[in-house]
Amino acid sequence: AQRVTQPEKLLSVFKGAPVELKCNYSYSGSPELFWYVQYSRQRLQLLLRHISRESIKGFTADLNKGETSFHLKKPFAQEEDSAMYYCALGRSFSGGYQKVTFGTGTKLQVIP
Amino acid sequence: EPEVTQTPSHQVTQMGQEVILRCVPISNHLYFYWYRQILGQKVEFLVSFYNNEISEKSEIFDDQFSVERPDGSNFTLKIRSTKLEDSAMYFCASTTSGTVLTDTQYFGPGTRLTVL
Repeated sequence: AQRVTQPEKLLSVFKGAPVELKCNYSYSGSPELFWYVQYSRQRLQLLLRHISRESIKGFTADLNKGETSFHLKKPFAQEEDSAMYYCALGRSFSGGYQKVTFGTGTKLQVIP
Repeated sequence: EPEVTQTPSHQVTQMGQEVILRCVPISNHLYFYWYRQILGQKVEFLVSFYNNEISEKSEIFDDQFSVERPDGSNFTLKIRSTKLEDSAMYFCASTTSGTVLTDTQYFGPGTRLTVL
């Protein structure tokens, strides 16, 4: 079974402060991990995926298989980063489809 | 940029009534999904659909639920006899392929279903 845990429901930081949104996963295979973001009144959208090892909007996330973690980090928070952030684990199936399991989400609130 | 669309944005219904939630996936996508999110809870997978068949469904997706692609553009989720606990935000998503390695699920804006 696959499971994604985000321990914090709400994270409040001041503008300019570092941000770390925690995510831990449980999966017996080789995980494909993602971060999705949902800004107020907008749809869920992919922020980044671990396989790309990219930085999007200043955010990065490193997969740590030893700690089964995929924490999202940004060195300096901006007000426009305020949103719901969901960690997700994806799997591809031989039947030709993919299945994504989401964490419960963390609301990031950046205080001006 | 093409987007997944969903209608209606908000549906209110009486318990026991049938509802149909509609989605228009991105036109060249082949794989379609429904998720739901009960208020305050996580986004949960309901069902995946490809080539006019269900690929996988979760335990939530019982006999009250059905999906259909009636006309080559719409993708619908039907709940035959709604229950109070069906109240949630329902998201449709689509992808071009079945692999998470290279492909992204594009989500619609969601339909908020309220069962009274």
